Amino acid sequence: ETGVTQTPRHLVMGMTNKKSLKCEQHLGHNAMYWYKQSAKKPLELMFVYSLEERVENNSVPSRFSPECPNSSHLFLHLHTLQPEDSALYLCASSPGLASSSYNEQFFGPGTRLTVL
Amino acid sequence: AQTVTQSQPEMSVQEAETVTLSCTYDTSESDYYLFWYKQPPSRQMILVIRQEAYKQQNATENRFSVNFQKAAKSFSLKISDSQLGDAAMYFCAYRSADGGSQGNLIFGKGTKLSVKP
Repeated sequence: ETGVTQTPRHLVMGMTNKKSLKCEQHLGHNAMYWYKQSAKKPLELMFVYSLEERVENNSVPSRFSPECPNSSHLFLHLHTLQPEDSALYLCASSPGLASSSYNEQFFGPGTRLTVL
Repeated sequence: AQTVTQSQPEMSVQEAETVTLSCTYDTSESDYYLFWYKQPPSRQMILVIRQEAYKQQNATENRFSVNFQKAAKSFSLKISDSQLGDAAMYFCAYRSADGGSQGNLIFGKGTKLSVKP
C-alpha cells in the first residue's frame, strides 16, 4: 500500500495490556490525525498534529496517548483500555491545516481494535 | 457547533440504476466545504466529491454528482449507472472555511449502499 499505511491491521488486547498503533504517511504531508470509528456513530476526531506539534485533543481519555516523532509517523499508545474502546482506529494525513477545500485528508486502512 | 445528519442508514440500488444518498447539515457559518467519502468493506476511505459553499454550481465527478441546496442545508449525492464496485459506506462530511478550525472534518453516521446485480 502507498499513501497512508497503518499497522497492525487487527489487534486484540486485554484491558491490562499496553500496545501501540502505528501510522506512516508517504505523501510529504505536514498534518496527521487519529480518528475513532465505532459502529453506528460518526467518525470521532481524537488528535491532530501539525509539524509534529499536537494542535487538538478532543477530550480523549488519558489511556490513549499519541506520539508524533516526525511528520511522517504517528503513533497511538494504548494502556488499560476498556471494552467500549473497541473500534476501528483510522489515521489520516493532509498537506497542512489550511482551510482550503483542496487540503484533502487521505486516510489509512485502519486498525481494527478489540478489547477483551 | 456544526452537525451532519445522514438519515438513511442503508440503501440499495440495482446495477446500472441511479441512487441518491441524503445529507443535511447544520451550521451558522456562511463559508465552508462539503465532502462525500466512500469506505468500501475493509478498504481505505477515499474522497468521492467535494463542494465549496460559495459555488452555486453543483460538483460532478464522472458518475457522481451532488445536489447542493445551501438555503436548505442539504447536500445529496447522486450515483448514476451504479456499479458493483460502488457498494460501500458513504460518509457526508463538513469542514469550516474558518482558518481556526484546524481543517477538522465533521462526519455523518454514514449510509451503507448495496448494489444488486
